[in-house]
Amino acid sequence: GQNIDQPTEMTATEGAIVQINCTYQTSGFNGLFWYQQHAGEAPTFLSYNVLDGLEEKGRFSSFLSRSKGYSYLLLKELQMKDSASYLCAVVTDSWGKLQFGAGTQVVVTP
Amino acid sequence: IAGITQAPTSQILAAGRRMTLRCTQDMRHNAMYWYRQDLGLGLRLIHYSNTAGTTGKGEVPDGYSVSRANTDDFPLTLASAVPSQTSVYFCASSDSLDTAGELFFGEGSRLTVL
Repeated sequence: GQNIDQPTEMTATEGAIVQINCTYQTSGFNGLFWYQQHAGEAPTFLSYNVLDGLEEKGRFSSFLSRSKGYSYLLLKELQMKDSASYLCAVVTDSWGKLQFGAGTQVVVTP
Repeated sequence: IAGITQAPTSQILAAGRRMTLRCTQDMRHNAMYWYRQDLGLGLRLIHYSNTAGTTGKGEVPDGYSVSRANTDDFPLTLASAVPSQTSVYFCASSDSLDTAGELFFGEGSRLTVL
């Protein structure tokens, strides 16, 4: 079967750093996405990794290790607006079909 | 640019009724998807369409049907709604010719089946 695991919830202080881990076991792999979803809203794109290594985009970075079936999303200089759910999603076929994890709720406190 | 438009945004429905959730995109994307999102379970794929005229079953297709008569529209039909279909439904699209193509989501349709 397909399995994508990420922690349910994480809490961090404004200005701090938080790392959200995602491990996956899927029948196919053609890349990994991270999405952000604020309560009551649609998910929005954060990052995409297909090769091993770190992709940096401003305060957000995403890392992938294909041999370990592992990714993380790093959020730096946390702001209150970063309180949201973060979704890890694996591209499982050549058409771009995504399998999502259950999401990690990040709570940023003052 | 509208992106993806879903309708209705919210609906309360009696069990046994038929319901169609509408989804329209103006990005000329090849692929379209319907997901349902439930607390603790994340987004689960119901049905998808890689190109106009073709559809496929996702992870949780039972009780749902879709059609893709043209590139822009991808309606989702519940033939006879049941309470377990209470959920938030998201339509999404992507350029399926590019596996790095991100999914663009509609704003969601919140459905309650009583």
